Amino acid sequence: NAGVTQTPKFQVLKTGQSMTLQCAQDMNHNSMYWYRQDPGMGLRLIYYSASEGTTDKGEVPNGYNVSRLNKREFSLRLESAAPSQTSVYFCASSRTALNEKLFFGSGTQLSVL
Amino acid sequence: AQRVTQPEKLLSVFKGAPVELKCNYSYSGSPELFWYVQYSRQRLQLLLRHISRESIKGFTADLNKGETSFHLKKPFAQEEDSAMYYCALRYGGSQGNLIFGKGTKLSVKP
Repeated sequence: NAGVTQTPKFQVLKTGQSMTLQCAQDMNHNSMYWYRQDPGMGLRLIYYSASEGTTDKGEVPNGYNVSRLNKREFSLRLESAAPSQTSVYFCASSRTALNEKLFFGSGTQLSVL
Repeated sequence: AQRVTQPEKLLSVFKGAPVELKCNYSYSGSPELFWYVQYSRQRLQLLLRHISRESIKGFTADLNKGETSFHLKKPFAQEEDSAMYYCALRYGGSQGNLIFGKGTKLSVKP
């Protein structure tokens, strides 16, 4: 099993460009999450989806949108990228929203110039 | 507001020495606390959780509600313990309410 798969691994954007980060899990998990990791800031939750068909804002949702396409896939979209969105993005999943064990993807390094 | 504080950005010890990674939290209710670890070139993964009261890879962590702490300890550090360690707090029973500390980089020297 691949676990949680994120694409792309690296991306460089110009300010104002849009892009979608893809995430898929093959563990039949109900809940999925998007975090960003900035130097000295730890991980901060952007959005999460407790179950298929639901999404909720996390700590830092501004500038992002998400889509829970189906149970497996949870995408993160930047409509108009800004330099402040330069970060490492992690997708994660868990069996349920009440389950404490998160499984993480390998991350996407995004640079916005 | 809920907060997780890891006061040390970097902790450097020699192999065989005891190690303690500090974590303090701020939450008025009943917290659920976790330690996640990220080894070099590996994914972030759960190390242990306070509710299980388990020892993983020789690490233990005890929840001290009086001191609002959840320090991670190991009596004899190994080189393979070198990694980034994140303390995390879940409040309100929902995974959407899981917040991470800023992390401590542990470096174990030979």
